[in-house]
Amino acid sequence: EDQVTQSPEALRLQEGESSSLNCSYTVSGLRGLFWYRQDPGKGPEFLFTLYSAGEEKEKERLKATLTKKESFLHITAPKPEDSATYLCAVQARDTGRRALTFGSGTRLQVQP
Amino acid sequence: DAGVIQSPRHEVTEMGQEVTLRCKPISGHDYLFWYRQTMMRGLELLIYFNNNVPIDDSGMPEDRFSAKMPNASFSTLKIQPSEPRDSAVYFCASSLRVDQPQHFGDGTRLSIL
Repeated sequence: EDQVTQSPEALRLQEGESSSLNCSYTVSGLRGLFWYRQDPGKGPEFLFTLYSAGEEKEKERLKATLTKKESFLHITAPKPEDSATYLCAVQARDTGRRALTFGSGTRLQVQP
Repeated sequence: DAGVIQSPRHEVTEMGQEVTLRCKPISGHDYLFWYRQTMMRGLELLIYFNNNVPIDDSGMPEDRFSAKMPNASFSTLKIQPSEPRDSAVYFCASSLRVDQPQHFGDGTRLSIL
């Protein structure tokens, strides 16, 4: 069974204080790992897809990296508008299992 | 570009009533997914469709839940009869291909009293 564990559950940062969110996963054959951002009362918003170990993707203050067991979402010099819940999800390569398995998320609060 | 559109945004109803949630996917997307989000269990897939055909409904909790996709631009998720434990936020998502990112609507917050 595919499993995704995210840590920490919650993180409070001061504006400008860089940090990293962790996503550990277990999947029998990874097709892709997805990062989403979710604001209160909204649906998850797609950020990145990573397909193979060593891959990195960047967008503004966010950088996602992938190893064979985990992914990190690095946040550099965060701003209050980066406050949200960040979700990680995996998709298996098995053609019979195309659903995304989501982690429970990391609630990030960035204080001015 | 219009995103995934869900209606209603909020639904409050009494136990035993029928509830119908609606979704319009992004035009041209071949895959449509229904998820449920709760504090206890997070985001869980209920069912997904490819070209209007249900592919995997193993996440549908029980026979009280049913989903249809009569055409490429519309899907419904129905609960009959509804129970308080069905209270959750229900999301619809669509993707161009199954290995492409899924794009989510803003959900329907369902409360069963």
